[in-house]
Amino acid sequence: DAGVIQSPRHEVTEMGQEVTLRCKPISGHDYLFWYRQTMMRGLELLIYFNNNVPIDDSGMPEDRFSAKMPNASFSTLKIQPSEPRDSAVYFCASSIIAGAGTDTQYFGPGTRLTVL
Amino acid sequence: AQSVTQPDIHITVSEGASLELRCNYSYGATPYLFWYVQSPGQGLQLLLKYFSGDTLVQGIKGFEAEFKRSQSSFNLRKPSVHWSDAAEYFCAVGAQGGSEKLVFGKGTKLTVNP
Repeated sequence: DAGVIQSPRHEVTEMGQEVTLRCKPISGHDYLFWYRQTMMRGLELLIYFNNNVPIDDSGMPEDRFSAKMPNASFSTLKIQPSEPRDSAVYFCASSIIAGAGTDTQYFGPGTRLTVL
Repeated sequence: AQSVTQPDIHITVSEGASLELRCNYSYGATPYLFWYVQSPGQGLQLLLKYFSGDTLVQGIKGFEAEFKRSQSSFNLRKPSVHWSDAAEYFCAVGAQGGSEKLVFGKGTKLTVNP
């Protein structure tokens, strides 16, 4: 299996632009997670899905952030408009069916976002 | 809700020396505990996990961790560190039912001197 796939690996954009991050989870995994990692705040859970349905989006920082999972093999995290404080590494992870907090999560390589 | 603390931000050890990374958690019931490792520029990889049973858990790359309920700790150990172990290590705590989030500590960065 190819593991969790994220694209792009690096994104540099100007403040105010729309940014879309993409994730393909491991086939057969029912849970998908979006995390943000910064030096100041560490690894934060933004949102997670179960069977394509958003379960908990309480970590999404504000309305500029949105996430979708149109099918079992694809998810997007969109920031519109982007701001310099959104600069971070964004990780996607997936797990099988045992539950969000109880099963091994498999992480993608991350997308390093820089907003100028 | 559960929480986890990693008291050491940065640890430096010599190659061949033993290693212990500390992790303390807060949760009212039996936690699900994990250690992940992140190499530079990479995603996180699971080292080991504890759900129940034997409190000494063996993981990959020669790592082990011991769950101590009385101390609310889940410390990671390795008897002899290799230069390739230099990375950042994250402890995480999960729970079944209620809030099912996996909560991560802030991480401990390990430097290995030759």
